[in-house]
Amino acid sequence: AQSVTQLGSHVSVSEGALVLLRCNYSSSVPPYLFWYVQYPNQGLQLLLKYTSAATLVKGINGFEAEFKKSETSFHLTKPSAHMSDAAEYFCAVSDSGWGGGNKLTFGTGTQLKVEL
Amino acid sequence: GAVVSQHPSWVICKSGTSVKIECRSLDFQATTMFWYRQFPKQSLMLMATSNEGSKATYEQGVEKDKFLINHASLTLSTLTVTSAHPEDSSFYICSASGRDNEQFFGPGTRLTVL
Repeated sequence: AQSVTQLGSHVSVSEGALVLLRCNYSSSVPPYLFWYVQYPNQGLQLLLKYTSAATLVKGINGFEAEFKKSETSFHLTKPSAHMSDAAEYFCAVSDSGWGGGNKLTFGTGTQLKVEL
Repeated sequence: GAVVSQHPSWVICKSGTSVKIECRSLDFQATTMFWYRQFPKQSLMLMATSNEGSKATYEQGVEKDKFLINHASLTLSTLTVTSAHPEDSSFYICSASGRDNEQFFGPGTRLTVL
């Protein structure tokens, strides 16, 4: 069985500040990990994914995440927050493949608020 | 990237009626489609997985007779909520994947049952 824990259901940062959204996973096999963003009343958009290649993964909109096996973590960061980053962020894990014919298990989400 | 659409984007219906939600992959052939349910301020919960031409595989606890899924073509899957009740009110999201295996998500459908 696999699971994802996102610490902090709400995170608030100032515009221009570092964004750090935490994600820890549990998986009995090497995981494939994903971060998605969801804007209000919309579907999910893939930010980045880890598929056992480089441990530091760069995604869209300046986001990146680092896979740390020893810490079972896949935290999402962005050096400088922008107002347009305000949204819900979901971490997800797949136990095999990278989410095509394979099921994704989502975390509970983190609402990011960006303040002036 | 690939585009997935859902129709309708929102629907309000009376208790006891059935509602059909469509999920279409607009520019690729989707061999697999997934249906998720999302309650307010909560995560996405996978309801079922469907492969074109096959019966859907439902997650534990999801009533297959209540949530009918049809994946009749490589570009269309439908979810029918039968005899809907207020507790079925939710945000339903589909995703689709093709040969490259990435899941692309639809914009979701807001269902409100009165």
